[in-house]
Amino acid sequence: KNEVEQSPQNLTAQEGEFITINCSYSVGISALHWLQQHPGGGIVSLFMLSSGKKKHGRLIATINIQEKHSSLHITASHPRDSAVYICAVGLYSGGGADGLTFGKGTHLIIQP
Amino acid sequence: EAGVTQSPTHLIKTRGQQATLRCSPISGHTSVYWYQQALGLGLQFLLWYDEGEERNRGNFPPRFSGRQFPNYSSELNVNALELEDSALYLCASSLNGGLSSYNEQFFGPGTRLTVL
Repeated sequence: KNEVEQSPQNLTAQEGEFITINCSYSVGISALHWLQQHPGGGIVSLFMLSSGKKKHGRLIATINIQEKHSSLHITASHPRDSAVYICAVGLYSGGGADGLTFGKGTHLIIQP
Repeated sequence: EAGVTQSPTHLIKTRGQQATLRCSPISGHTSVYWYQQALGLGLQFLLWYDEGEERNRGNFPPRFSGRQFPNYSSELNVNALELEDSALYLCASSLNGGLSSYNEQFFGPGTRLTVL
């Protein structure tokens, strides 16, 4: 079973700070997702990574396949970034893609 | 382009009843995934449908079932509802379910099921 561990569980920071959320997983994967969930439940897919680094606006995601580790960074954080950030991994086994396995999420609060 | 849609937004049922949740994927997507987010448990994979067939299911009892229609929309049925079935149920869709390669999943807004 592929376990996904996220850290920290909770993070409170001041507006403008650089934020890092970490994700580690235990077995080989096909891809890793970073998801954002706002109060009310809706989930938005931020990134899907299978190698290297991706950037979208103030968000940067990196993955190290050998170390089975990914990080999500937020530069110049803003109160609207307050949300739960969830790491999820997916496996393609040749017979098709399995459902995602999720971390427990990081609850981020950015204070003005 | 419309995203993944789910209905209803909220659903209240009593123990022992059946609940039916619906999901419409993004146009062109053939795969639909169902996930449960129960309070304190995080997101868990429930079911995966592609081209009208159930391809995989998570560690849930048989009273969780569903189907996928020819237009690729999907229903999730939960029979003999229990209090612990109260959760947010999320649907996601992707291109061809990763049968040939891994494809990104796009999530709907969810249905919040409350069992009294």
